[in-house]
Amino acid sequence: EAGVAQSPRYKIIEKRQSVAFWCNPISGHATLYWYQQILGQGPKLLIQFQNNGVVDDSQLPKDRFSAERLKGVDSTLKIQPAKLEDSAVYLCASSLTGYEQYFGPGTRLTVT
Amino acid sequence: ELKVEQNPLFLSMQEGKNYTIYCNYSTTSDRLYWYRQDPGKSLESLFVLLSNGAVKQEGRLMASLDTKARLSTLHITAAVHDLSATYFCAVDNQKLVFGQGTRLTINP
Repeated sequence: EAGVAQSPRYKIIEKRQSVAFWCNPISGHATLYWYQQILGQGPKLLIQFQNNGVVDDSQLPKDRFSAERLKGVDSTLKIQPAKLEDSAVYLCASSLTGYEQYFGPGTRLTVT
Repeated sequence: ELKVEQNPLFLSMQEGKNYTIYCNYSTTSDRLYWYRQDPGKSLESLFVLLSNGAVKQEGRLMASLDTKARLSTLHITAAVHDLSATYFCAVDNQKLVFGQGTRLTINP
C-alpha cells in the first residue's frame, strides 16, 4: 500500500514570497491533516479535512495560510506571504477511521 | 486548552540499560499515541492506547496508559543503539496534541 506522498521535499524562499505544498493521501482515506513542525517541537495541527470539507482550522493563520482539498483526495497548502517564523517542516497525514494517522515524509521550508 | 508535557526532553543512555519516558496531559482523554521520529524523517506510529490500564509491547518498548492520573509511560528495556530517535506522545482531544518530544540517544 502506497503511503502519504508530499512534494516538494525541500523549499527555500525569501520572506514575503509565496509557496505551495502538495499532499496525496493514502487511497481511500477520507480524513486529511496538515501539521506544522517547528524545529525542536512536536507537530501542531493547522487544518483537518473530512473529504473536501474543513473540520478544524482553528490554528491556521488565515491571514497568510490557505488550504484546499477540492475533490476530496489531494490537498494543497499555501503560504502567502511567507514570514521567517514559517520556517518549519509541513507534514501531511491521512486517516481511514479518524483514529490512527499516517504521516507523509514532510516538506522542509526555509524562509530567508 | 489541552497541554501535553513529556519528560525528560533529552535522554542519553548506554546500551543495555532500562529507562522510562513520561507523558503527562492536562485534560481527560481516552486515547493516546506514541510516535517515533528519526532525524529528517516523518513520524512512525508505535502504539495506540485506547483505554485506562492499556499496556502494549513491541520488542524492547512497552507503553502504558493511566487515564485517571493522565499519564502515559514509554519504557525501554535493555536499550540498543537502533532505538536512538525522538519519541513523541500525542493525546487525542478531538485533534491530536503532541508533546515536545524526547530526544533519546543510546551510546554503545
